[in-house]
Amino acid sequence: QVQLVQSGAEVKKPGASVKVSCEASGYTFTNSYIHWVRQAPGHGLEWMGIIDPSGRGTTNAQKFQGRVAVTRDTSTSTVYMELSSLRSEDTAVYYCARAAAYSSMTFDYWGQGTLVTVSP
Amino acid sequence: QSALTQPPSVSGSPGQSVTISCTGTSSDVGRYNRVSWYQQPPGTAPKLMIYEVSNRPSGVPDRFSGSKSGNTASLTISGLQAEDEADYFCSSYTSSSTSLYVFGTGTKVTVL
Repeated sequence: QVQLVQSGAEVKKPGASVKVSCEASGYTFTNSYIHWVRQAPGHGLEWMGIIDPSGRGTTNAQKFQGRVAVTRDTSTSTVYMELSSLRSEDTAVYYCARAAAYSSMTFDYWGQGTLVTVSP
Repeated sequence: QSALTQPPSVSGSPGQSVTISCTGTSSDVGRYNRVSWYQQPPGTAPKLMIYEVSNRPSGVPDRFSGSKSGNTASLTISGLQAEDEADYFCSSYTSSSTSLYVFGTGTKVTVL
Protein backbone atom coordinates (compact mmCIF):
# COMPACT_ATOMS: atom_id res chain seq x y z
CA GLN A 1 0.00 0.00 0.00
CA VAL A 2 1.07 3.57 -0.63
CA GLN A 3 2.84 5.15 2.33
CA LEU A 4 4.57 8.47 2.90
CA VAL A 5 6.62 8.45 6.10
CA GLN A 6 8.04 11.72 7.33
CA SER A 7 10.88 12.52 9.69
CA GLY A 8 10.31 13.48 13.30
CA ALA A 9 9.54 16.75 15.02
CA GLU A 10 12.13 19.53 15.05
CA VAL A 11 12.80 22.52 17.26
CA LYS A 12 14.81 25.32 15.67
CA LYS A 13 15.93 28.81 16.57
CA PRO A 14 15.03 31.83 14.45
CA GLY A 15 17.36 32.19 11.49
CA ALA A 16 18.19 28.49 11.34
CA SER A 17 17.21 25.97 8.65
CA VAL A 18 15.21 22.77 8.86
CA LYS A 19 15.17 19.79 6.51
CA VAL A 20 12.16 17.47 6.55
CA SER A 21 12.19 14.12 4.75
CA CYS A 22 9.36 12.15 3.18
CA GLU A 23 10.05 8.50 2.29
CA ALA A 24 7.66 6.99 -0.24
CA SER A 25 6.79 3.33 -0.66
CA GLY A 26 4.16 1.15 -2.28
CA TYR A 27 4.33 2.69 -5.76
CA THR A 28 6.83 3.74 -8.41
CA PHE A 29 8.48 6.79 -6.88
CA THR A 30 9.25 8.57 -10.15
CA ASN A 31 5.69 8.30 -11.47
CA SER A 32 3.98 10.80 -9.14
CA TYR A 33 4.67 14.38 -8.14
CA ILE A 34 5.11 15.16 -4.44
CA HIS A 35 3.74 18.33 -2.86
CA TRP A 36 4.60 20.09 0.39
CA VAL A 37 1.79 21.68 2.40
CA ARG A 38 1.97 23.26 5.84
CA GLN A 39 -0.55 24.01 8.58
CA ALA A 40 0.18 26.57 11.27
CA PRO A 41 -1.44 25.93 14.67
CA GLY A 42 -5.17 26.59 14.51
CA HIS A 43 -4.95 27.61 10.87
CA GLY A 44 -5.71 26.18 7.46
CA LEU A 45 -3.53 24.49 4.91
CA GLU A 46 -0.98 26.33 2.79
CA TRP A 47 0.60 24.97 -0.40
CA MET A 48 4.37 25.39 -0.51
CA GLY A 49 5.73 23.62 -3.55
CA ILE A 50 5.95 20.58 -5.77
CA ILE A 51 8.68 18.32 -7.12
CA ASP A 52 8.71 15.91 -10.03
CA PRO A 53 10.70 12.95 -8.67
CA SER A 54 11.64 11.93 -12.22
CA GLY A 55 13.92 14.96 -12.32
CA ARG A 56 11.96 17.46 -14.38
CA GLY A 57 12.13 20.13 -11.72
CA THR A 58 10.32 21.92 -8.93
CA THR A 59 7.88 24.80 -8.52
CA ASN A 60 7.44 26.74 -5.30
CA ALA A 61 4.86 29.22 -4.07
CA GLN A 62 6.10 32.77 -4.49
CA LYS A 63 5.83 33.32 -0.75
CA PHE A 64 8.64 30.81 -0.16
CA GLN A 65 10.86 31.68 -3.11
CA GLY A 66 14.48 31.87 -2.05
CA ARG A 67 13.78 30.16 1.29
CA VAL A 68 12.60 26.69 0.31
CA ALA A 69 14.46 23.94 -1.51
CA VAL A 70 12.74 20.68 -2.48
CA THR A 71 15.00 17.83 -3.56
CA ARG A 72 14.77 14.08 -4.04
CA ASP A 73 16.89 10.96 -3.77
CA THR A 74 15.64 8.29 -6.13
CA SER A 75 17.89 5.65 -4.56
CA THR A 76 15.88 5.86 -1.34
CA SER A 77 12.56 7.13 -2.77
CA THR A 78 12.79 10.12 -0.49
CA VAL A 79 11.84 13.75 -1.01
CA TYR A 80 13.32 16.50 1.15
CA MET A 81 12.01 19.99 1.95
CA GLU A 82 14.49 22.45 3.41
CA LEU A 83 13.24 25.79 4.73
CA SER A 84 15.82 28.40 5.66
CA SER A 85 15.87 31.71 7.56
CA LEU A 86 13.22 30.36 9.92
CA ARG A 87 10.99 32.74 11.83
CA SER A 88 8.31 32.20 14.44
CA GLU A 89 5.58 32.30 11.80
CA ASP A 90 7.09 29.14 10.26
CA THR A 91 5.99 27.11 13.29
CA ALA A 92 3.66 24.59 11.70
CA VAL A 93 3.01 20.97 10.81
CA TYR A 94 4.59 20.24 7.45
CA TYR A 95 3.02 17.55 5.25
CA CYS A 96 4.17 15.86 2.08
CA ALA A 97 1.39 14.68 -0.19
CA ARG A 98 1.34 12.65 -3.40
CA ALA A 99 -0.34 13.83 -6.57
CA ALA A 100 -2.92 11.25 -7.64
CA ALA A 101 -2.18 9.26 -10.78
CA TYR A 102 -5.79 9.70 -11.91
CA SER A 103 -5.84 13.44 -11.23
CA SER A 104 -2.51 15.21 -10.94
CA MET A 105 -4.05 18.22 -9.20
CA THR A 106 -5.37 16.06 -6.36
CA PHE A 107 -3.45 15.00 -3.25
CA ASP A 108 -4.40 11.36 -2.70
CA TYR A 109 -1.96 10.23 0.01
CA TRP A 110 -0.44 12.32 2.79
CA GLY A 111 2.45 11.83 5.17
CA GLN A 112 1.77 11.83 8.89
CA GLY A 113 3.09 15.38 9.25
CA THR A 114 6.20 16.85 10.87
CA LEU A 115 5.89 19.52 13.55
CA VAL A 116 8.50 22.24 13.21
CA THR A 117 8.69 24.63 16.13
CA VAL A 118 10.67 27.86 15.78
CA SER A 119 11.50 29.32 19.16
CA PRO A 120 14.36 31.46 20.60
CA GLN B 1 -3.40 34.56 -3.33
CA SER B 2 -6.24 34.61 -0.79
CA ALA B 3 -7.61 31.44 0.75
CA LEU B 4 -10.93 30.09 -0.44
CA THR B 5 -13.77 31.07 1.91
CA GLN B 6 -15.54 28.41 3.94
CA PRO B 7 -17.96 28.77 6.88
CA PRO B 8 -16.11 28.24 10.17
CA SER B 9 -18.55 25.62 11.37
CA VAL B 10 -21.63 23.61 10.47
CA SER B 11 -23.52 21.10 12.58
CA GLY B 12 -26.24 18.53 12.28
CA SER B 13 -27.84 15.61 14.03
CA PRO B 14 -27.13 12.02 13.05
CA GLY B 15 -28.97 11.16 9.86
CA GLN B 16 -29.31 14.75 8.72
CA SER B 17 -27.52 16.39 5.78
CA VAL B 18 -25.04 19.24 5.96
CA THR B 19 -23.51 21.27 3.15
CA ILE B 20 -20.20 23.13 3.26
CA SER B 21 -19.56 25.91 0.78
CA CYS B 22 -16.19 26.91 -0.67
CA THR B 23 -16.13 30.28 -2.40
CA GLY B 24 -13.26 31.34 -4.62
CA THR B 25 -12.84 33.49 -7.69
CA SER B 26 -12.81 33.26 -11.46
CA SER B 27 -9.09 32.46 -11.21
CA ASP B 28 -9.55 29.24 -9.26
CA VAL B 29 -12.87 27.56 -8.40
CA GLY B 30 -14.73 29.32 -11.20
CA ARG B 31 -12.08 28.57 -13.80
CA TYR B 32 -11.11 24.95 -13.20
CA ASN B 33 -12.93 21.72 -12.34
CA ARG B 34 -9.99 20.92 -10.06
CA VAL B 35 -11.71 21.29 -6.70
CA SER B 36 -10.94 18.69 -4.03
CA TRP B 37 -12.25 18.15 -0.51
CA TYR B 38 -10.26 16.78 2.43
CA GLN B 39 -11.38 15.49 5.82
CA GLN B 40 -9.07 16.06 8.79
CA PRO B 41 -9.98 14.59 12.19
CA PRO B 42 -8.10 16.26 15.07
CA GLY B 43 -4.40 15.51 15.15
CA THR B 44 -4.36 13.54 11.91
CA ALA B 45 -3.33 14.14 8.31
CA PRO B 46 -5.94 15.18 5.73
CA LYS B 47 -7.79 12.47 3.81
CA LEU B 48 -9.07 12.91 0.26
CA MET B 49 -12.87 12.73 0.05
CA ILE B 50 -13.78 14.33 -3.29
CA TYR B 51 -11.70 15.22 -6.34
CA GLU B 52 -12.39 17.15 -9.54
CA VAL B 53 -15.55 18.68 -8.02
CA SER B 54 -17.69 15.57 -7.70
CA ASN B 55 -15.65 12.37 -7.92
CA ARG B 56 -15.23 10.04 -4.97
CA PRO B 57 -12.04 7.98 -4.56
CA SER B 58 -12.42 4.30 -3.89
CA GLY B 59 -13.41 3.67 -0.28
CA VAL B 60 -15.16 6.98 0.38
CA PRO B 61 -18.83 6.44 1.29
CA ASP B 62 -21.40 7.68 -1.21
CA ARG B 63 -22.84 9.85 1.57
CA PHE B 64 -20.23 12.36 0.49
CA SER B 65 -20.95 14.31 -2.68
CA GLY B 66 -19.58 17.42 -4.34
CA SER B 67 -20.84 20.03 -6.76
CA LYS B 68 -19.96 23.45 -8.16
CA SER B 69 -21.79 26.51 -9.40
CA GLY B 70 -19.85 29.49 -10.64
CA ASN B 71 -17.16 30.44 -8.13
CA THR B 72 -18.59 28.30 -5.33
CA ALA B 73 -18.06 24.60 -4.73
CA SER B 74 -19.99 22.58 -2.18
CA LEU B 75 -19.55 19.38 -0.20
CA THR B 76 -22.67 17.63 1.05
CA ILE B 77 -22.65 14.95 3.71
CA SER B 78 -25.91 13.02 3.70
CA GLY B 79 -26.97 10.72 6.52
CA LEU B 80 -24.51 12.36 8.93
CA GLN B 81 -22.67 9.95 11.23
CA ALA B 82 -20.65 10.53 14.39
CA GLU B 83 -17.46 9.50 12.57
CA ASP B 84 -17.93 12.41 10.15
CA GLU B 85 -17.05 14.92 12.85
CA ALA B 86 -13.84 16.58 11.64
CA ASP B 87 -12.42 19.61 9.89
CA TYR B 88 -13.01 19.81 6.15
CA PHE B 89 -10.91 21.76 3.66
CA CYS B 90 -11.46 22.47 0.00
CA SER B 91 -8.67 23.12 -2.48
CA SER B 92 -8.44 24.33 -6.03
CA TYR B 93 -5.88 24.72 -8.75
CA THR B 94 -5.36 28.40 -9.49
CA SER B 95 -4.08 30.57 -12.29
CA SER B 96 -2.53 32.92 -9.75
CA SER B 97 1.08 33.91 -10.42
CA THR B 98 1.96 33.37 -6.75
CA SER B 99 0.85 29.78 -6.22
CA LEU B 100 -0.41 26.70 -8.07
CA TYR B 101 -2.94 25.68 -5.44
CA VAL B 102 -5.12 27.40 -2.89
CA PHE B 103 -6.88 25.87 0.11
CA GLY B 104 -10.04 26.84 1.91
CA THR B 105 -10.17 28.34 5.39
CA GLY B 106 -11.60 25.11 6.80
CA THR B 107 -14.96 24.11 8.30
CA LYS B 108 -15.52 22.25 11.55
CA VAL B 109 -18.35 19.74 11.20
CA THR B 110 -20.00 18.86 14.50
CA VAL B 111 -22.39 15.97 14.90
CA LEU B 112 -24.87 16.91 17.60
